[in-house]
Amino acid sequence: AQSVTQLGSHVSVSEGALVLLRCNYSSSVPPYLFWYVQYPNQGLQLLLKYTTGATLVKGINGFEAEFKKSETSFHLTKPSAHMSDAAEYFCAVSDRGGANNLFFGTGTRLTVIP
Amino acid sequence: NAGVMQNPRHLVRRRGQEARLRCSPVKGHSHVYWYRQLPEEGLKFMVYLQKENIIDESGMPKERFSAEFPKEGPSILRIQQVVRGDSAAYFCASSPANEQFFGPGTRLTVL
Repeated sequence: AQSVTQLGSHVSVSEGALVLLRCNYSSSVPPYLFWYVQYPNQGLQLLLKYTTGATLVKGINGFEAEFKKSETSFHLTKPSAHMSDAAEYFCAVSDRGGANNLFFGTGTRLTVIP
Repeated sequence: NAGVMQNPRHLVRRRGQEARLRCSPVKGHSHVYWYRQLPEEGLKFMVYLQKENIIDESGMPKERFSAEFPKEGPSILRIQQVVRGDSAAYFCASSPANEQFFGPGTRLTVL
């Protein structure tokens, strides 16, 4: 069975500061990992995903995440926050590349302070 | 290219009424998923369908909820005799194989 834990339901950073959103997963098989962003009253947009291969994954809008098997983590980072990054971020895990249902964390709301 | 479309975007029902949520997947996608998002929570998987088949409904409540994805037309999530606890955002996603594309959701409010 798969599950995801996102530490910190709310994170605030100053504009230009480092963004770090934490995600730990549990999976009985090699996981496929995803980060999605949700803007108010909109659907989810895929930021990046890890399936196999390189453990450092780069996504859209300057975000990246690193798969660390030993730590069962897939934290999302961005070197410099922008006001437009304010949104809800969801980490998700699947036991296949997305062709099976996704298990989502409870989300982290990112606030960017000018 | 049109993405996943859901309608209505907002739906208000009184307790005991029926709610029908529609999802049109990306053209050519044969996999459809429904998720429910309760306030202040993440998305919870409900059901996974392919054309005319339910593949996995392990997340569907045992009663009042049903889903279909007919050969022609959109996928439908149907909730009978709605209760206040059904108030949530319902998201549909479609997939060609290895990535899910999400629609904008239907926000159901039960009065």
